Amino acid sequence: DIQMTQSPSSLFASVGDRVTITCWSSQSISTYLNWYQQKPGEAPKLLIFAASGLPSGVPSRFLGTGSGTNFALTITSLQPEDFATYFCQQGFITPPWTFGQGTKVEI
Amino acid sequence: QVELQQSGPGLVKPSQTLSLTCGISGDSVSAISGSWNWLRQSPSRGLEWLGKTYFRSKWYSDYALSLKSRITVSADTSKNHVSLQLSSVTPEDTAVYYCARVVRFGGTGLVTVDTFDLWGQGTMVTVSS
Repeated sequence: DIQMTQSPSSLFASVGDRVTITCWSSQSISTYLNWYQQKPGEAPKLLIFAASGLPSGVPSRFLGTGSGTNFALTITSLQPEDFATYFCQQGFITPPWTFGQGTKVEI
Repeated sequence: QVELQQSGPGLVKPSQTLSLTCGISGDSVSAISGSWNWLRQSPSRGLEWLGKTYFRSKWYSDYALSLKSRITVSADTSKNHVSLQLSSVTPEDTAVYYCARVVRFGGTGLVTVDTFDLWGQGTMVTVSS
């Protein structure tokens, strides 16, 4: 199975900050990489698909980059509603679909 | 608007079978554009994909290798829902369980990738006597 690793596991930030979360895969996955946002008590929500695609309704302050084994999710100006946990997920060799362990963005 | 509504017990005794149902509204369980999946989330295991079922002229299922001997994911077309059965549970199976739809997302200059675009509300299942 492809292993996904995220860094950091948590970070503290303030409203307006630029925040970057990184994700690595154990082997090259091209751009078959998605990002999800999860708030406490809720299911994950799709944030970025195919490394840099923005689904309808997701604000443009969320930016996904990367290819191969190294990926990043950047929030260009953190808003109060962005405090959550973020997960990456590979869709290159499936099943199984595998996820990173998550990055918690805290105030 | 497509919605997934999960139901099932929150407490299961060790060695028994965990059974959950995911009711689908706004889409058909037989839709050939996607698949219906079960995942779970726990502090020790993180987000873990368990299995899926999908219809492509006939029904297929795929399962996580670690669970293959204990898991069944099936569809009921008359009720438009998907079910999860996990047998011989232990406290290690304690987690929040989610059903989710996978469809392919793509776009200009982008690869087409399987995405979990729709999720149920989650069910906390505790395995304890």
